[in-house]
Amino acid sequence: DAGVTQSPTHLIKTRGQQVTLRCSPKSGHDTVSWYQQALGQGPQFIFQYYEEEERQRGNFPDRFSGHQFPNYSSELNVNALLLGDSALYLCASSQYWTAQGTEAFFGQGTRLTVV
Amino acid sequence: AQTVTQSQPEMSVQEAETVTLSCTYDTSESDYYLFWYKQPPSRQMILVIRQEAYKQQNATENRFSVNFQKAAKSFSLKISDSQLGDAAMYFCAYRLFSGTYKYIFGTGTRLKVLA
Repeated sequence: DAGVTQSPTHLIKTRGQQVTLRCSPKSGHDTVSWYQQALGQGPQFIFQYYEEEERQRGNFPDRFSGHQFPNYSSELNVNALLLGDSALYLCASSQYWTAQGTEAFFGQGTRLTVV
Repeated sequence: AQTVTQSQPEMSVQEAETVTLSCTYDTSESDYYLFWYKQPPSRQMILVIRQEAYKQQNATENRFSVNFQKAAKSFSLKISDSQLGDAAMYFCAYRLFSGTYKYIFGTGTRLKVLA
């Protein structure tokens, strides 16, 4: 079992550009959540996807959008990048209908640097 | 809104000694989970221990145990017989009991283990 995999591991983008980050959930999981972890901070919830729909969203602007595919994998898109978007982006996968009994599994993250 | 507070940015412990990391939280909900996650330099969040709010008994996992005080909204982690491999960032996290995988994380405590 490969667990949660994210790509790429590192990325450097220029301010104003757009970026797409990818996540493949752990086998058997159908829900993907995305988190932003700024340097020296705890992860902040961006949004959660289940059945290809955004189910819950944190306090992030519309520049942050996502998508979930039929195979449960997910993408996080960020438009009009700002220097403040530089962070570690973590993906977490889980099983939607067993929320009462399980926890999410996290990937190793994508380190995004905006210059 | 729920919040999680970790007031110790950094802690140090001698190898084989015991250390306690503090966490307080605020919520108006009665059913929820509390977690301690470890984040080593590899960046992947690793679950250390989980506590269901409805359980009065404190959770234990080998050398790791918690002191859960629901009325005081306190959730501390005790690491016994500290090992060099325990050195990492430790995050306290909160999650509602059902319907969501939105975790609310504290700002973390960096644990250093001294040989």
